[in-house]
Order: sequence, then structure tokens, then C-alpha cells
Amino acid sequence: AQSVTQLGSHVSVSEGALVLLRCNYSSSVPPYLFWYVQYPNQGLQLLLKYTSAATLVKGINDFEAEFKKSETSFHLTKPSAHMSDAAEYFCAVSDRIQGAQKLVFGQGTRLTINP
Amino acid sequence: DTAVSQTPKYLVTQMGNDKSIKCEQNLGHDTMYWYKQDSKKFLKIMFSYNNKELIINETVPNRFSPKSPDKAHLNLHINSLELGDSAVYFCASSQAGNSYEQYFGPGTRLTVT
Repeated sequence: AQSVTQLGSHVSVSEGALVLLRCNYSSSVPPYLFWYVQYPNQGLQLLLKYTSAATLVKGINDFEAEFKKSETSFHLTKPSAHMSDAAEYFCAVSDRIQGAQKLVFGQGTRLTINP
Repeated sequence: DTAVSQTPKYLVTQMGNDKSIKCEQNLGHDTMYWYKQDSKKFLKIMFSYNNKELIINETVPNRFSPKSPDKAHLNLHINSLELGDSAVYFCASSQAGNSYEQYFGPGTRLTVT
């Protein structure tokens, strides 16, 4: 079964600093991997996705993630944090089932930005 | 235009009641989902319908019954509500062949007292 582990339930960085959110996955097949962001009292918004093309994936708002098969990792980075990046971030792996996609989420990482 | 919408946004009810949450998507997708987010923010899939056919049915109590009248709608009916049903419920949709990217609704916060 697919699974995802996000290291660190809470990450705090200063404005302008590098953001690094860690995600490790377990999958018996080549995975599709996703990062979603959830702002307070809102739904989930897709940041970026890996679907077996380029291993370095660029997303919205200058976020990017690198798929490393040897490390079973898909860490999310952003070179310079903005106050508006404060949110909950979820890494997910998908299990494709007959026209549907079962997303298995990690437990989430709350990102706090310090002025 | 809202891509995936849910009603109501907030739902407060007493134990034992029956309630429904509605979801509509205007993206032309053929697959819809229900997820539950608990108080610790953990997200778990509950159901998925593809072209009105139930595809994914996780270990959810029988008190939860999804209904899909057409491809654009997926409703969730909950019987005999319990305190543990309090959560945020998210609807989502996707289109097969598009890397299965899912679009989420704004969520319905259900509080059972």
C-alpha cells in the first residue's frame, strides 16, 4: 500500500529564508506525487505534481520539488519565504484505481513565517 | 466561477440527526471524491465515483452514503450522526488522463453536538 511520511509537523522560517518541507513516500509502483497547500479555512490547492517526467518539478509561487527515487523522497523547497506562504502543506501519493485516483496524504506540515 | 462548490459551508447538528452535504463541479470532470479531514488535519479518502459508478469505498461506516445523480454532482448523506463525525469534509474532482490532478472544494465543517 502507498504511504507518505512528512518529517516535521511544524516548520518555522524567517521571511526571505529558504523553505524546506520533507516528504518520503512508499510505493510498490512508480508513483505520482503531489504537494498541496491549505490556507486557513480553505480547501486544498495543488502546488505541483510529479508524474514520471522531469525529476525536478516547478510549481506555483516559486515552489519546486525534486523526485529522488533512490531516497524515496519528494521534498518541497522555495528559495525565499514570504509571509503569505504561511499555511498547511500536504504531500500525497496516488494509487490509480480504474479511472479514479486514491490520494494518500501525509500528516501535513504547518509552515510559519517569522517577520 | 467556482470550480468545485459545496453546500453548506458550516453545519451544526445534534447527535442522532441525519444530514446531507452537496457537491457540484463545473469542470466537466468524470470523477468525484469525498475526503474527511479530522481535527488533527489528517486527510483521508472516503469515496470516489467515476461516471456515476462507485469506484472507491474505503472503510467508512454504513451511516455514510454517497449519491451521484450525474457526473457533475456527488452528495454525501450521513445518518444517525455521532460526535466522531465532526470534521471538515472536502469534495474533489478529477479527469482521467490529466495526471489525475484533483481539484478541491472549500470544505464543509460539520460539528455534531
